Amino acid sequence: NAGVTQTPKFRILKIGQSMTLQCTQDMNHNYMYWYRQDPGMGLKLIYYSVGAGITDKGEVPNGYNVSRSTTEDFPLRLELAAPSQTSVYFCASSPSRDLFNQPQHFGDGTRLSIL
Amino acid sequence: KNQVEQSPQSLIILEGKNCTLQCNYTVSPFSNLRWYKQDTGRGPVSLTIMTFSENTKSNGRYTATLDADTKQSSLHITASQLSDSASYICVVRNTDKLIFGTGTRLQVFP
Repeated sequence: NAGVTQTPKFRILKIGQSMTLQCTQDMNHNYMYWYRQDPGMGLKLIYYSVGAGITDKGEVPNGYNVSRSTTEDFPLRLELAAPSQTSVYFCASSPSRDLFNQPQHFGDGTRLSIL
Repeated sequence: KNQVEQSPQSLIILEGKNCTLQCNYTVSPFSNLRWYKQDTGRGPVSLTIMTFSENTKSNGRYTATLDADTKQSSLHITASQLSDSASYICVVRNTDKLIFGTGTRLQVFP
């Protein structure tokens, strides 16, 4: 039972490069989320999705894009990496019909450094 | 402004001792409050959820309390174990979003 799987676990990018953070879940959850966790700060919501083909902006969406072509996958794309995007990124999912209510199941994160 | 503040920022205790972590919030309207445990290098895992009508809830050695009048919650850990070393995050939900606290980093030493 894998739960939420994120790849890669670590990555170093140069300023201006692009990359995609992968997230997949095997629990058939409708809702998926992307967060970033900066040192000394609470998690901030970047984007979320309520189902395949539907995505919406969270609190800090600038500089990121997402897509949701299947229930299982919710990749996060950085088009032009900037030092301010250095962070730990967490993907999460939840099954509830009530967005943000049920406990969210988190992946183990992708630690991204941009130099 | 909706905020969740946790104290202390960090805490060191000896194995077998008890400890209490605090969470104060100014979120309105309030729907529920959840405590998560985050081991180093891992994602957060839910410990317990408190709704408006609940005062106390236990999950093994973890006991959460909620005072909705003063907008405070606590997480009490009894007979701490080395595996309790982690960050503990308080998350408050209002109508349409989650507000995350910055967490308390707990270290348990033998």
